[in-house]
Amino acid sequence: KAGVTQTPRYLIKTRGQQVTLSCSPISGHRSVSWYQQTPGQGLQFLFEYFSETQRNKGNFPGRFSGRQFSNSRSEMNVSTLELGDSALYLCASSWDGSYNSPLHFGNGTRLTVT
Amino acid sequence: QKEVEQDPGPLSVPEGAIVSLNCTYSNSAFQYFMWYRQYSRKGPELLMYTYSSGNKEDGRFTAQVDKSSKYISLFIRDSQPSDSATYLCAMLNQAGTALIFGKGTTLSVSS
Repeated sequence: KAGVTQTPRYLIKTRGQQVTLSCSPISGHRSVSWYQQTPGQGLQFLFEYFSETQRNKGNFPGRFSGRQFSNSRSEMNVSTLELGDSALYLCASSWDGSYNSPLHFGNGTRLTVT
Repeated sequence: QKEVEQDPGPLSVPEGAIVSLNCTYSNSAFQYFMWYRQYSRKGPELLMYTYSSGNKEDGRFTAQVDKSSKYISLFIRDSQPSDSATYLCAMLNQAGTALIFGKGTTLSVSS
């Protein structure tokens, strides 16, 4: 069974630009979550989508947005990039996002903002 | 006070040693506890998942939860060089909507 796939693996952008990251969940998984990982803050929850609806949201500014498609694939968008947005962005999928449905992570997209 | 505290290490041990990794948390409402392993340039991989206080064993790994002390541990027996990675504790937030992670402990096992 294929794991969670994230594309691209690496991105370099300039301040002020916007970026879109893509995530394909494990087949059959309907919940997709996004996390930001930095050395200073560790892993922080961005948002979770289930059946094309944002179900939960973390404490990030509105520049961070996402969506989920009918095939459960998800995209995350960051507009007006700031230097502090440089991070590893991780997508995770689970069967239904419930407490007994473990998260499976992709290998992330490394975003560098210059 | 951070909700989840984890000593970042690094922790260096010889092959065959018993490793103890720990996290403390502040919110007594947390109920579900996980340990993830993250290799360099990879995403976190779920190792152990526990709910109640007590021990759960899986091969060389034992997860321990002490809710009264708000303290969780991961023990690795007979450690191997392949165990060299960052270990992250995680717990489900009070609302049950997201995982809260510790910052991770970097472990190095030398042969």
